[in-house]
Amino acid sequence: KAGVTQTPRYLIKTRGQQVTLSCSPISGHRSVSWYQQTPGQGLQFLFEYFSETQRNKGNFPGRFSGRQFSNSRSEMNVSTLELGDSALYLCASSSAQGLNTEAFFGQGTRLTVV
Amino acid sequence: AQKVTQAQTEISVVEKEDVTLDCVYETRDTTYYLFWYKQPPSGELVFLIRRNSFDEQNEISGRYSWNFQKSTSSFNFTITASQVVDSAVYFCALSEDRDDKIIFGKGTRLHILP
Repeated sequence: KAGVTQTPRYLIKTRGQQVTLSCSPISGHRSVSWYQQTPGQGLQFLFEYFSETQRNKGNFPGRFSGRQFSNSRSEMNVSTLELGDSALYLCASSSAQGLNTEAFFGQGTRLTVV
Repeated sequence: AQKVTQAQTEISVVEKEDVTLDCVYETRDTTYYLFWYKQPPSGELVFLIRRNSFDEQNEISGRYSWNFQKSTSSFNFTITASQVVDSAVYFCALSEDRDDKIIFGKGTRLHILP
């Protein structure tokens, strides 16, 4: 059974640009959640999608958005990139909705904003 | 408000020693869930355990054991007879049933020295 796949693994972008990250969950999982990991702030929850609907959102500005497709694959978009957006972005999938369940994580996308 | 404190930023022990990672949490909810995740150098978080607030039984899984004490709001993790492969960053996390958000501690970086 394939795990959670995140693409790309590494990305370098310039301030002001936008970026889209992709996450393919484990087959059969309908919940996808996104996290940002930085040395300063640690691991922070961004949002959760279940059955193509955003169910939950963390405390991030509107520049951070996402969506989920009918096949449960999810994309996360960050517009007008800032240097502080440099981070490891992790995606997790679960079989059930909610953040109280066991989650399976991908290896992340490391975004560097220059 | 939710809060998870992992006071130990970094720990180094020699292989085969036992080591305990501390986790103290704060919550006003009566129903909540506690997690431990392991993050090896490859980046993905690996689920270790999930415990709900009504189950205070300690748990043992191989060399891993967890001590949940509501009286002290702690959920400590012990590795017995540590091995080099246990070297990683370990995160404790809390999710409240009411709020359905998840908050992570800052993590403890564990070095197992051969």
